[in-house]
Parts: sequence; structure tokens; C-alpha cells
Amino acid sequence: QSVLTQPPSVSGAPGQRVTISCTGTNSNIGAGYDVHWYQQLPGAAPKLLIYGDSNRPSGVPDRFSASKSGTSASLAITGLRAEDEAHYYCQSYDSSLSGSVFGGGTKLTVL
Amino acid sequence: QLQLQESGPGLVKPSETLSLTCTVSGGSISSSGYYWGWIRQPPGGGLEWIGLIHYTGNTYYNPSLKSRVTISVDTSKNQFSLNLNSVTAADTAVYYCAKRTIVNTWFDPWGQGTLVTVSS
Repeated sequence: QSVLTQPPSVSGAPGQRVTISCTGTNSNIGAGYDVHWYQQLPGAAPKLLIYGDSNRPSGVPDRFSASKSGTSASLAITGLRAEDEAHYYCQSYDSSLSGSVFGGGTKLTVL
Repeated sequence: QLQLQESGPGLVKPSETLSLTCTVSGGSISSSGYYWGWIRQPPGGGLEWIGLIHYTGNTYYNPSLKSRVTISVDTSKNQFSLNLNSVTAADTAVYYCAKRTIVNTWFDPWGQGTLVTVSS
């Protein structure tokens, strides 16, 4: 049972827009701690996709965006491509655990 | 460019100690602004934060694992290590090492990960 809650799966056709939600509590996202997102391609290590709620590292396409409100955050992917098929994880800091917490991950399928 | 690489046995017997090392290249583990962390992922499962260490030796552990985990650092070798004792099949996972800054809470970069199976 992950501290942050994500839908197990989402899907979309090429070119479409999908969103992935990440729901926390008042000891993590709701407390104002940053939310980060990772993309994990099959057989690979997680790669930082979004940091500090909504910032993209160099090299990440602007098709990927994220936002945060209250105790939740969301990742949006526009103009879906086949290569976006992967697992996506959110991460934040939890004050009651005094450490990092992750979502359970969402598998994105490009139809 | 900073790179991290995990190493260690791929098979550990139940009740024994899992020991892994992360070697940092392309930068110094003794930078005051960084933490060095361990994260694991069971087969088909999600990510779980294990703990962090600063080069000074300060450590921070996941409360759920704290009684069994020790993270240490060897600045002379630019490495940090993970020991997890009394392992069971539930500890079977891919173990990743990663860098985090002191100020910010995201992990980047990550090592490629190493699968550790707990089985007799």
C-alpha cells in the first residue's frame, strides 16, 4: 500500500492527451512538499521527468506537464507517442515518516 | 556526468544479510550538498524509499525498515553501501542507488539497478 495513490493504468491513442493523478495527504502533498514525477521504461531505471511540481529537466519534451493543488498532483501528457508507453511514478516528502514517499505507479498504454 | 552503479550478490538466503555497494563516478561523494540514497522495487511492484546518507555519515531511514537497515559511506572509494539484515522473500527486489540534493527532494540520477533474490 503506497502512501501516494495513483491509478494503476491509463491509456490513450496516439496524439491524444492523458492525465495521471497522484493523491496524498496533509502530511505530504497537502503540506506543500514538492511533487516529482518519474518515467520508467520497460527494463530501465526510473528517470526524472518533472521536478518541483511542474519543472521539466533539460531534454524532457514540453508535451509533459504537471501541476499540484491541495493534496493532489497530476501529470499530463499531450500528443501521445508510442514511446511514451511506460510506468509513471509520483514522489513527495512526508513529514510524518520523515522521508520520501512514492505512488504505486501508473502504467500508460498507447493504443 | 555523474553516474551511479550498484553491485553485489544477486542471491541471498533467507535470514541472512543483503549487502550492496553503489559506486559513484564523475563526481565526488564528499560533496556537502548531496545525499546518497537507496530505493527498491519488488518485481512488478512500485518504488519504496529505503534511506539516505550524507558523506559525513548522517543517515535517514524508512521507519518500516529502520530496524534492519544500515547505510554507510566510504569516501576513499567514492562508494556507499546498503546492509539489510534478516531478509525474507519480501525483500526480493531491484535495488537502486540515486543522488538527492540536501535542499531538494527529487532523485537524479539513478543507477541502473540490481536484482536481489531472497531464496534458499
